Parts: sequence; structure tokens; C-alpha cells
Amino acid sequence: DAGITQSPRHKVTETGTPVTLRCHQTENHRYMYWYRQDPGHGLRLIHYSYGVKDTDKGEVSDGYSVSRSKTEDFLLTLESATSSQTSVYFCAISERAVTVEAFFGQGTRLTVV
Amino acid sequence: KQEVTQIPAALSVPEGENLVLNCSFTDSAIYNLQWFRQDPGKGLTSLLLIQSSQREQTSGRLNASLDKSSGRSTLYIAASQPGDSATYLCAGRWETSYDKVIFGPGTSLSVIP
Repeated sequence: DAGITQSPRHKVTETGTPVTLRCHQTENHRYMYWYRQDPGHGLRLIHYSYGVKDTDKGEVSDGYSVSRSKTEDFLLTLESATSSQTSVYFCAISERAVTVEAFFGQGTRLTVV
Repeated sequence: KQEVTQIPAALSVPEGENLVLNCSFTDSAIYNLQWFRQDPGKGLTSLLLIQSSQREQTSGRLNASLDKSSGRSTLYIAASQPGDSATYLCAGRWETSYDKVIFGPGTSLSVIP
């Protein structure tokens, strides 16, 4: 597997609390992405980054923020978790924009109760 | 807005059968399309990437085709094996949204021994 690690792998949190998920890569890839996967929806892009401190929104960005202070780390924060944010979250990395995401992390299963 | 659909949502076939998985998209100005495999509880593994200038790509028992005019891609699996059981997702990237990739909901394939 490529050097991409998501943490934590599983988390249960209460409604209204902030949550931060971490994606760490050792590949020095420029692009990093956060997706969520829900039954019947496939993967939907939340936010992505095209460089340190350079980020942009995806199609389902409401309620989420991201930060990338180093090439290797991309953080996804749920500012105030809601039950609708219960999902499996995937991080992906890509060396170039012309290629679709080359590598995916193993996923983080988040449950908001 | 670009959309990707995959029908059927689930498919069950006997071992040894050749099969075709379907992917449809709404915008013919597609830049590239990629097929992924996802095993339960795992991340995504890239199978084949087809650029808009190509009509098909082959890897082992897999063959993916792309028809931009009809908005369709197919993944052909020859001589299916139980180890092919997984969820298969297609994902497209368009010229007007270069950095973003849009996924279909996936087809869950079961190959019965």
C-alpha cells in the first residue's frame, strides 16, 4: 500500500462536538482529498488541497473545514458534528491533477450519536 | 452538473462467467474515467484509467471502454472468479472541473463458486 494513513480508523462522538480526522502521507504528493462515502451515493468530495495552505471546496463541504500546514498532513474538521455526518471518510492523494486520485486511505468510520 | 450512475447496484454471477459492469455519465466533455475496486472495509484500488482520447484500456482479465458520445463506460471481466467479488466504482473528471472527481454509487459484484 502507498504511504497514506488515516487516523483514527473508528470514532464515535456526540452531536455538537468538534471532530478532527487526520490524513498523513509519506509520498510527497501535491494533491490531497477528503471524501465521504454513504450507501447509494458513492464517494462525494468534501474538500481538497492542491498545495500547502491551498484548499478548495468540493460538492458537500457544508459543516466541514480543512487545513494543510504541511505537505504530508491534511486535516478534516467537523466543526459541530451532526448525525447526518455519520459516514465513512476517505482520504486520497495524487501526484498530479491529470491523474485521478492514485491512492486511497483505508477509511475512517465516524458515528455521531 | 456532471453526474455518474451505475446500474445495477448489485450483481451475482456464477464463477467462470464473463460479465459487464455499466457506468453512465451526463456530460460528454469528460477528461478521463477510472474504474476502482473496493473490498469490504477497505479503501479503493485503481483498476483502469481511460483518457478521453482513448476508447479502451486492458489489464489482465479486465477491459474498460469509453464512449463519450453516448456517455457510457463499461468494465468487462472475463472468466470471473470468486476473488473478483467486490464493489466496483467508476469515477470521472471533466474539463470544466479539472481538480474534482465525481464517483458513481458502485456495483456490488458477487461471484458464486
